[in-house]
Amino acid sequence: GAVVSQHPSWVICKSGTSVKIECRSLDFQATTMFWYRQFPKQSLMLMATSNEGSKATYEQGVEKDKFLINHASLTLSTLTVTSAHPEDSSFYICSGGTSEQYFGPGTRLTVT
Amino acid sequence: AQSVTQLGSHVSVSEGALVLLRCNYSSSVPPYLFWYVQYPNQGLQLLLKYTTGATLVKGINGFEAEFKKSETSFHLTKPSAHMSDAAEYFCAVSDQGNTPLVFGKGTRLSVIA
Repeated sequence: GAVVSQHPSWVICKSGTSVKIECRSLDFQATTMFWYRQFPKQSLMLMATSNEGSKATYEQGVEKDKFLINHASLTLSTLTVTSAHPEDSSFYICSGGTSEQYFGPGTRLTVT
Repeated sequence: AQSVTQLGSHVSVSEGALVLLRCNYSSSVPPYLFWYVQYPNQGLQLLLKYTTGATLVKGINGFEAEFKKSETSFHLTKPSAHMSDAAEYFCAVSDQGNTPLVFGKGTRLSVIA
């Protein structure tokens, strides 16, 4: 199957700072990628849809000014958590694909 | 809107016993159905998927699932549990290959020696 990578795999940041998470499709082009969030001991919830060359669309309840998504190329989408707070600590997973969705390995964000 | 219900947040079986994890879905269009496994502090691993065709789907590690349209179910089974099967299992649904997945709440499988 196709491969999606994420970087970093784990990041710790201080409250109030911003952190960027990268999601790359390594062997296919993705005009659309999806970002999910998984809180501890919970399921994955779709946060937003990243669209190459246009604005992302956000699910209800997700602050678009806090979670900035950029999809500048067909192989890279980035999620920036701005002014991070401890409640943003979570596991962030991206996916992409056309005939099926391929998931990245996830990024664990800890905000202290 | 699509949804997934996983019956039982925690299932415990003895090593060597049958594993049965239940999943029911709701979808207004023919669904794509998935089972994923997640080990602690790791990402998702696809166990198996149903898109079209044969309703009995075989996956990795001896798991299989059967799509039953009349029951809107996609239960996951494995004839004989192994200690290494202990993990969190998620059932998910989508309506096409390029659309996001809707996940169930997950079922934690414990395997007792």
